[in-house]
Amino acid sequence: QVQLQESGPGLVKPSQTLSLTCTVSGGSISSGGYYWSWIRQHPGKGLEWIGYIHYSGSTYYNPSLKSRVTTSVDMSKNQFSLKLNSVTAADTAVYYCARLLTGELLSFFYFDYWGQGTLVTVSS
Amino acid sequence: QSVVTQPPSASGTPGQRVTISCSGSSSNIGSHTVNWYQQLPGTAPKLLIYSNSQRPSGVPERFSGSKSGTSASLAISGLQSEDETDYYCAAWDDSLNGPVFGGGTKLTVL
Repeated sequence: QVQLQESGPGLVKPSQTLSLTCTVSGGSISSGGYYWSWIRQHPGKGLEWIGYIHYSGSTYYNPSLKSRVTTSVDMSKNQFSLKLNSVTAADTAVYYCARLLTGELLSFFYFDYWGQGTLVTVSS
Repeated sequence: QSVVTQPPSASGTPGQRVTISCSGSSSNIGSHTVNWYQQLPGTAPKLLIYSNSQRPSGVPERFSGSKSGTSASLAISGLQSEDETDYYCAAWDDSLNGPVFGGGTKLTVL
């Protein structure tokens, strides 16, 4: 059974960088066909896709966040990470990591495994 | 505001059949498959339906999905009290080159 677990500071000051790590267990992050994703949920609001990364290093980001987002993979630790810089109060949210499976030519896609989520508050 | 639209709320009585709609455009639902997620309070979303109408192992048969054109629907038959929670649809969006989620529907079991 694949499990994902987010970790990182729960409080970040405005203008600083939010850094989170997702540790994957029960499966290899280098398994083909999967993209490792970040999704956030503002308090009481809906879900927003942030970006995803393939173990090969290919990355794709939500255009609305692209200028501030960086993701990376550490295959030796079976982890992937998110960095969001220049944060403001608007970045306060629960951040989820999730595994994204896609079919050839996007014949299908879905997030099948999710972390429990971690609340990150941006405040001085 | 999401490019994929859901009603903010829906309701039904125990045993009833309810549907939740998800409306998009040719760049998302019209061109790609739709997923549905169930999110219980304080927990991560759980995949309920993928590829428009497929149920992952363990999801009861009373949950079903369909898609037509640029809209999709989630139907829940034999409504139970534990179904009272939030539901989100998701579709790939060509403009985003990534997934887009609906705003979510809060289902109340009266």
